[in-house]
Amino acid sequence: DTAVSQTPKYLVTQMGNDKSIKCEQNLGHDTMYWYKQDSKKFLKIMFSYNNKELIINETVPNRFSPKSPDKAHLNLHINSLELGDSAVYFCASSQEWGSYEQFFGPGTRLTVL
Amino acid sequence: QKEVEQNSGPLSVPEGAIASLNCTYSDRGSQSFFWYRQYSGKSPELIMFIYSNGDKEDGRFTAQLNKASQYVSLLIRDSQPSDSATYLCAAGGFKTIFGAGTRLFVKA
Repeated sequence: DTAVSQTPKYLVTQMGNDKSIKCEQNLGHDTMYWYKQDSKKFLKIMFSYNNKELIINETVPNRFSPKSPDKAHLNLHINSLELGDSAVYFCASSQEWGSYEQFFGPGTRLTVL
Repeated sequence: QKEVEQNSGPLSVPEGAIASLNCTYSDRGSQSFFWYRQYSGKSPELIMFIYSNGDKEDGRFTAQLNKASQYVSLLIRDSQPSDSATYLCAAGGFKTIFGAGTRLFVKA
């Protein structure tokens, strides 16, 4: 059983389009995250939800909108995609909010042309 | 700006040697520290965590924490080619901050 899953694995799209990435965890965790990993491999937090409530909202363009319909799901919708949005997006979850181990999904490689 | 800094490498060691990876963090409020391994094209996976000053050993891996110096390290004994990956150091507190990672290359 996959602990943290993401779809799609690859996403290639044109500038200006709107796209969504879905994430699901079956670990029973309370907290979920979205990270962006750029070409230099730097892993940067974007959003974090705890029990469906937004806890962390880093300096991310408002074209990015997360949504957590329940504790097990955290989706990311991106409007008006730009070239600079090309990166690998990782979803992760942890047991609780705070200094806990995070389990990562397989990543979604987004390429904006 | 709270930061976690690592030498980007690559760190190259021969098979069977000890690989030493280092990390410093700026936030004295950080409570927990993690080492994640990331193979190329894959997601990060946790290999060690440490909360208290001193050493913590798990198989071939030893994590070391010195809160006074704000320094975390990871030693990999008997390095294997399969250990070749990027190692991410992370400091946990209100939020977890990741370093940019150190690329390790173990030569057979």
